[in-house]
Amino acid sequence: DTAVSQTPKYLVTQMGNDKSIKCEQNLGHDTMYWYKQDSKKFLKIMFSYNNKELIINETVPNRFSPKSPDKAHLNLHINSLELGDSAVYFCASSQGRTRGENSPLHFGNGTRLTVT
Amino acid sequence: AQTVTQSQPEMSVQEAETVTLSCTYDTSESDYYLFWYKQPPSRQMILVIRQEAYKQQNATENRFSVNFQKAAKSFSLKISDSQLGDAAMYFCAYRPHGTYKYIFGTGTRLKVLA
Repeated sequence: DTAVSQTPKYLVTQMGNDKSIKCEQNLGHDTMYWYKQDSKKFLKIMFSYNNKELIINETVPNRFSPKSPDKAHLNLHINSLELGDSAVYFCASSQGRTRGENSPLHFGNGTRLTVT
Repeated sequence: AQTVTQSQPEMSVQEAETVTLSCTYDTSESDYYLFWYKQPPSRQMILVIRQEAYKQQNATENRFSVNFQKAAKSFSLKISDSQLGDAAMYFCAYRPHGTYKYIFGTGTRLKVLA
């Protein structure tokens, strides 16, 4: 029944490591997103894919690389993790522009990344 | 730049009372969409209510309603008969028509007092 699922829920790792977060949606949406929520709860868009095409790429270090193998999946790989990468990362999906302009974002439950 | 401002970092309300959370946005667009999301301590992001800018009628969902003032670029959320379960962070979000980007405000933490 889960609409947008992301794994893992928690990720604790050391500086310099490489890690991935996976996301899948079963809503039939054509657009997926990665948002970062910092310690002050501010939500900032990182990337968005529409039908596997990168359409939003905000000012994010190139250590972050999204990959969308199909429109139901969007993964986030992070190289050489730094202390400042500690945050909650949310995957989300929406209908995009082709159907339902007023489509809200549907969020996964977030991945809390802690870099030590 | 399009921005969303929530000027109240924290609000408190007595159980069963009514509270209004404010949200203003900066845009030159005439067509767009507005949303309120709730984030309880579980960190889930839950859609509370949405509004299309072309609709003059304010959206309502049970105890939640909005006061949409297009000219003032204001989109406040009113919670009636507040319940303990309403305690959460509330985020206002804006999406211009024809784009994929949802822009969020900085959030308001709502405390509900028993």
